[in-house]
Amino acid sequence: AQSVTQLDSHVSVSEGTPVLLRCNYSSSYSPSLFWYVQHPNKGLQLLLKYTSAATLVKGINGFEAEFKKSETSFHLTKPSAHMSDAAEYFCVVSEWRGNTPLVFGKGTRLSVIA
Amino acid sequence: GAGVSQSPSNKVTEKGKDVELRCDPISGHTALYWYRQSLGQGLEFLIYFQGNSAPDKSGLPSDRFSAERTGGSVSTLTIQRTQQEDSAVYLCASSPTSAGVTEAFFGQGTRLTVV
Repeated sequence: AQSVTQLDSHVSVSEGTPVLLRCNYSSSYSPSLFWYVQHPNKGLQLLLKYTSAATLVKGINGFEAEFKKSETSFHLTKPSAHMSDAAEYFCVVSEWRGNTPLVFGKGTRLSVIA
Repeated sequence: GAGVSQSPSNKVTEKGKDVELRCDPISGHTALYWYRQSLGQGLEFLIYFQGNSAPDKSGLPSDRFSAERTGGSVSTLTIQRTQQEDSAVYLCASSPTSAGVTEAFFGQGTRLTVV
């Protein structure tokens, strides 16, 4: 069965500095990987997704993630944090077998300091 | 509709009562999921419907929880004899095909409080 581990429960950065949110996954089959963001009292929004095309995936709001099979990682990055990036971020895995549910990590809370 | 719709948005119930939570997915989406999010926790998978296949119920925490999906569209999650530990936000999501191919679109959730 697939699983995902988000290595940090909380990350704090200063505005204008880079963001790195770490995610490792486990999957017996070719995985699809996603990052979702949840702002306070808002619904979940897809940031980006990897589905076996390019290993470097670009998403909304300047975020990107790189799929590294050898490291079983899918870390989320952004060159320069903005105050509006403060939110909860979830790394998600699903398998190409289909008919399998999305499996969520426990989330990383990103704080951005002015 | 334009997005996944869940109702009610908030529900307060007394311990021991039954509750029904409703999810109206995006029209044409074949896959529908229910998740539970407790305070400060990630999303816990509950149940997954895909087309006419038998649902994946492997995430339901006890036999007090059940869900159905009528006509391949609207879904209802029922919790019988609610307990305080059932308090959480219940999220519904739908996707056009299986999740491995496309993203899932989430509703705003139902916040359930058991007092």
